[in-house]
Amino acid sequence: GAVVSQHPSWVICKSGTSVKIECRSLDFQATTMFWYRQFPKQSLMLMATSNEGSKATYEQGVEKDKFLINHASLTLSTLTVTSAHPEDSSFYICSARVGGGHQPQHFGDGTRLSIL
Amino acid sequence: SQQGEEDPQALSIQEGENATMNCSYKTSINNLQWYRQNSGRGLVHLILIRSNEREKHSGRLRVTLDTSKKSSSLLITASRAADTASYFCATDIPSGSRLTFGEGTQLTVNP
Repeated sequence: GAVVSQHPSWVICKSGTSVKIECRSLDFQATTMFWYRQFPKQSLMLMATSNEGSKATYEQGVEKDKFLINHASLTLSTLTVTSAHPEDSSFYICSARVGGGHQPQHFGDGTRLSIL
Repeated sequence: SQQGEEDPQALSIQEGENATMNCSYKTSINNLQWYRQNSGRGLVHLILIRSNEREKHSGRLRVTLDTSKKSSSLLITASRAADTASYFCATDIPSGSRLTFGEGTQLTVNP
């Protein structure tokens, strides 16, 4: 149980392109989803917390106009990297939490984004 | 200040040996969680230990928590090559709004 599917797993695109990443909870309803960014051999950096039906809460230093998050249903959150540039290249991982706080998060398999 | 620092950063052992990873944190927590990440993949939840617990077991995993020292350890017994991965601790603060991950320990188990 508690499976999270993230798509696509890998994307290469030209600078200036917008890229959408989907995160789906397959067998549970996720009121809260999280988006992380991870650089090689580093830890996860929380970008934003996404609550169903409300605006995402962004971490300090994360541009909300650059990284658009939509959590339109209890099973789907999307992250759109707008006008992507090479410095946006990274590994993006989503997670979803069952129920309220103090519960484990269940992670997708990540999206490797490479901007040329 | 960083919540969740781990040591060692990298650990290389032989199959069959035990692996111990440590995590220190700075603020009060509700619980502490350990996750595993295989290269290029997402994280897998391993075990959660609450602030009022001192030790927890799950299969070959043993986690301890010392809230007075603000530290936790993860012990993997009888390691296997398939245990090769990065291991992260994550702290859940009382507000419960987010997890803060440590820097991780890269474990290599040599066959």
